[in-house]
Amino acid sequence: KAGVTQTPRYLIKTRGQQVTLSCSPISGHRSVSWYQQTPGQGLQFLFEYFSETQRNKGNFPGRFSGRQFSNSRSEMNVSTLELGDSALYLCASSFQSSYNEQFFGPGTRLTVL
Amino acid sequence: AQSVSQHNHHVILSEAASLELGCNYSYGGTVNLFWYVQYPGQHLQLLLKYFSGDPLVKGIKGFEAEFIKSKFSFNLRKPSVQWSDTAEYFCAVNASEGLTGGGNKLTFGTGTQLKVEL
Repeated sequence: KAGVTQTPRYLIKTRGQQVTLSCSPISGHRSVSWYQQTPGQGLQFLFEYFSETQRNKGNFPGRFSGRQFSNSRSEMNVSTLELGDSALYLCASSFQSSYNEQFFGPGTRLTVL
Repeated sequence: AQSVSQHNHHVILSEAASLELGCNYSYGGTVNLFWYVQYPGQHLQLLLKYFSGDPLVKGIKGFEAEFIKSKFSFNLRKPSVQWSDTAEYFCAVNASEGLTGGGNKLTFGTGTQLKVEL
């Protein structure tokens, strides 16, 4: 089985721009979660989608949004980028609906200049 | 507040030394516990997990962890480390507290950077 894939792997943007990141979960997995990893804040939960619905949300501003498609693929969008948004964005998928292990993708490294 | 604490931020060991990394959490309700590892240049991988049952769980590569409910702890151990264990280790909790509709939301500790010297 193929693992979680994320595209693009690297991205450079400037302040004020917006960006869309994509995640394809492991086949059969319906839960997709997004995390932000930075040296200062560590790994922080952004949001989780299940069956095209956002089920849980972390403490991030409204500039961070996401969606999930009927094939379970997910995208996250960050609008009006700030320097502090520079981070590794990780996607994780899970087979079961709740409290289960998550499988992580390689991440998208976003740099905001 | 809900949190996961890893007390050791940087650990340096010689090969064949024993390893124990501490992890404490502050959650009520049902918790599922995980240790993930991130090798240099690689993505997060699951080392082991605890859902219920025997509180001593065994994972990959000779790692094990013990869940002590009374101490809200889930410490990771390995009897004899190898140079290839050099990596960052994260403890994570998926707790029912705060997830009224269920779900998969991991709260991570700050990570422990392990360096194993030859």
